[in-house]
Amino acid sequence: GESVGLHLPTLSVQEGDNSIINCAYSNSASDYFIWYKQESGKGPQFIIDIRSNMDKRQGQRVTVLLNKTVKHLSLQIAATQPGDSAVYFCAERYGGATNKLIFGTGTLLAVQP
Amino acid sequence: DTAVSQTPKYLVTQMGNDKSIKCEQNLGHDTMYWYKQDSKKFLKIMFSYNNKELIINETVPNRFSPKSPDKAHLNLHINSLELGDSAVYFCASSQGLAAQFFGPGTRLTVL
Repeated sequence: GESVGLHLPTLSVQEGDNSIINCAYSNSASDYFIWYKQESGKGPQFIIDIRSNMDKRQGQRVTVLLNKTVKHLSLQIAATQPGDSAVYFCAERYGGATNKLIFGTGTLLAVQP
Repeated sequence: DTAVSQTPKYLVTQMGNDKSIKCEQNLGHDTMYWYKQDSKKFLKIMFSYNNKELIINETVPNRFSPKSPDKAHLNLHINSLELGDSAVYFCASSQGLAAQFFGPGTRLTVL
C-alpha cells in the first residue's frame, strides 16, 4: 500500500483524548504558518493558519500555538476523533513578495477507537 | 463545487515519454502552484504563477515546463520522463499571499 516503507513520526492517541502535534521551523524571518491535514490518497487540506505577530489562534476543535523564541509551532486537536487520523504538515512562509511555503516532514496521527 | 481540480488522477508511462498534467481552479484565485510529493511524503514547491506570470521557479530540471493559459489554469508538461520523476504532483491556488488550497493530486509512475 501507500504507507509501505514510510517512517513518519507517529502520534497514537485514544479517541476522545486531546492531541498535540509539534513542529520545529527553520527560519526566524518566517512571517506566516499553516497546518495542513493530508488523508491517504488526497491532497493537503487547510486546517488553520497563524501570522508571526500572533502566538495563539483557535478554530473549531483546533488551536495553533506559535513560539518564535524557539521557532516552534504546535497544533492541538481537542476530543480527537477517528476522522482526524491523517498526516499533518506544518508549513512556514519565508516572507518576501512570494507565497513560497516550506513544508515540514509530517506527523502521522493515528486515532485508536 | 468550488475547488482545485487536476487531471489525470493517475498517470503510468514509460521512461522517455512526454506527458502533461492539467490543473484548474474555480476559486477565483490569482496565484497557482505546482508541488511534488515524494515517496517519503516530503512536499516541495516547484513553480508558482501569479496572473499568468512565473514568480517562483525552484531548482527543477528544465524538462519540467509549466504553462498558464489564464489565471484559472496551470498545466505542467514533463519531457523525457525519468524514473525519478515518479511522485505525486499537487496543484494549489491562493489569492495573493493568503492560504494555499490544494488539488487531489496526480500520481505519476514512470516505468
